[in-house]
Amino acid sequence: GAVVSQHPSRVICKSGTSVKIECRSLDFQATTMFWYRQFPKKSLMLMATSNEGSKATYEQGVEKDKFLINHASLTLSTLTVTSAHPEDSSFYICSAQGRGYYTEAFFGQGTRLTVV
Amino acid sequence: GENVEQHPSTLSVQEGDSAVIKCTYSDSASNYFPWYKQELGKRPQLIIDIRSNVGEKKDQRIAVTLNKTAKHFSLHITETQPEDSAVYFCAASLGGSASKIIFGSGTRLSIRP
Repeated sequence: GAVVSQHPSRVICKSGTSVKIECRSLDFQATTMFWYRQFPKKSLMLMATSNEGSKATYEQGVEKDKFLINHASLTLSTLTVTSAHPEDSSFYICSAQGRGYYTEAFFGQGTRLTVV
Repeated sequence: GENVEQHPSTLSVQEGDSAVIKCTYSDSASNYFPWYKQELGKRPQLIIDIRSNVGEKKDQRIAVTLNKTAKHFSLHITETQPEDSAVYFCAASLGGSASKIIFGSGTRLSIRP
């Protein structure tokens, strides 16, 4: 399968600061990327879908001004958590779909964000 | 939108026995149903998937069945082994590029030695 790399794997930040998480497709062109949030022992909750070169589509209840998503190229999408608060602490994980991979999505390794 | 329900939330089986996880979906237009295995702290890994034009698919000890009429699909693991212990997620999608994948709530499978 294709390889998706997510960075950083862990980050601790102070309340009120912003954090950027990168998701890269290493060996294919990711036309669509998805961002999920996973609470401990819970499922993956879809936050938003981003297509290269266009604005992200956010799921209901997700604050687009808080979770900024950029998908500027076919190999990179970023999620920026702005003005982070302790309740934003979670496991964030991206997945990517691309040309030649009809429906299958490939996941990054995830980012554990802790806001103190 | 699509809603996927998954049962049971936890499952413990004796090594060598079979495990079955069941899911239902709400959107009759969904036509792609992947299953993922997630080990603690790691990314979900696709283990098997099925499309709506197929009723059953098997890959060694893993099989998935789909009942489109009832909007049910199930994962069957036979001859379970300790390394099968993990959280398993079912999911549903409309299929095609840019189709979001909606996950079930997950099943924590434990294999007793």
